[in-house]
Amino acid sequence: DAKTTQPPSMDCAEGRAANLPCNHSTISGNEYVYWYRQIHSQGPQYIIHGLKNNETNEMASLIITEDRKSSTLILPHATLRDTAVYYCIVLPGVSGGSNYKLTFGKGTLLTVNP
Amino acid sequence: DGGITQSPKYLFRKEGQNVTLSCEQNLNHDAMYWYRQDPGQGLRLIYYSQIVNDFQKGDIAEGYSVSREKKESFPLTVTSAQKNPTAFYLCATGDRDLSPLHFGNGTRLTVT
Repeated sequence: DAKTTQPPSMDCAEGRAANLPCNHSTISGNEYVYWYRQIHSQGPQYIIHGLKNNETNEMASLIITEDRKSSTLILPHATLRDTAVYYCIVLPGVSGGSNYKLTFGKGTLLTVNP
Repeated sequence: DGGITQSPKYLFRKEGQNVTLSCEQNLNHDAMYWYRQDPGQGLRLIYYSQIVNDFQKGDIAEGYSVSREKKESFPLTVTSAQKNPTAFYLCATGDRDLSPLHFGNGTRLTVT
């Protein structure tokens, strides 16, 4: 599995966009980029995932570079409740439950300030 | 996540005692997983089960045991053989395709 690199921490002002980067330079052609977040003392929450096209849902947008070696998670209008650890994970796109190989690193602690 | 119930939220045990952590789901997912999280660390896979009556060891299975007698339930027993049992334990479920995992809110186990 490709490894990912994320900054350990970031700050963002409330109401502004939060842009969280992730490096996955060894990603292979059939691997997806997933983002989860974990609010203190809770279980991780799925946010979004993508293969090569940019993706958007009600929570966030995911921008993947053309060479797929990096991506950015965008929270368009960050709120105090978005303060959490954000994990970027790369998983093989093979059906049959391969997402059990989900291995979380240390992620990025995003602190949204008032 | 309302579909996955982990109980209790906090659990205290004396060293040398076995303890069982509960995980129940009503999402009708085939696969269930147990992870361990230590302070400031990521998640590590303990055991997983992709179908009833079948389960496999994850990366750190030593000192743990599981059962999967029903689709809805995947209890984890932390045995006295586990050297450092104090941790945050997370249960997750998933379909057998590429759908993302759903996590419970965890059980924080403290062994003294």
